[in-house]
Amino acid sequence: KAGVTQTPRYLIKTRGQQVTLSCSPISGHRSVSWYQQTPGQGLQFLFEYFSETQRNKGNFPGRFSGRQFSNSRSEMNVSTLELGDSALYLCASSFQGAYEQYFGPGTRLTVT
Amino acid sequence: ELKVEQNPLFLSMQEGKNYTIYCNYSTTSDRLYWYRQDPGKSLESLFVLLSNGAVKQEGRLMASLDTKARLSTLHITAAVHDLSATYFCAVDFGNEKLTFGTGTRLTIIP
Repeated sequence: KAGVTQTPRYLIKTRGQQVTLSCSPISGHRSVSWYQQTPGQGLQFLFEYFSETQRNKGNFPGRFSGRQFSNSRSEMNVSTLELGDSALYLCASSFQGAYEQYFGPGTRLTVT
Repeated sequence: ELKVEQNPLFLSMQEGKNYTIYCNYSTTSDRLYWYRQDPGKSLESLFVLLSNGAVKQEGRLMASLDTKARLSTLHITAAVHDLSATYFCAVDFGNEKLTFGTGTRLTIIP
């Protein structure tokens, strides 16, 4: 079956702009989690959605938000981009929360 | 605080040698995962360890979990160049998210 897909794969934005990233989970998976990976901070949890509800949120400012649609696809949005938001953003899907998450290819965001 | 610590951070080893990566975590959990990441790529699931004493093996890699010691190990046997990558352990502390270790960058030298 098809894996987790993320679009776009690469993105270059300017400080102050906003960006929306998309994630389509594996068919049948209802949980989608987002992680940020940077060389300095490593892999950090952003938020998790299950059946269109945000169940958990990491320690990130309110500029980071997300949502999940009825078909389980998820989007995350970052407003007022800062240079420090440059990172690889990974989406993971599972049947239930953190149990056996499968990761997508990631979106590489560069903020200039 | 929920923490996951890996060591070493960097590991350079010769082909054919054995070595172990350690993953310690701060509080009770019986769900631990190992992932591999190649440069510029996403995370590939290697092992899922779900109980005390769990041991999983795939090729030259073997992972184990000791929940009482809050310790997991990833053992590499007779390393080959293809194993060069960054390895992460991640713990599910029951809060619907994974807490990742810092990663171990493994370089296999011919």
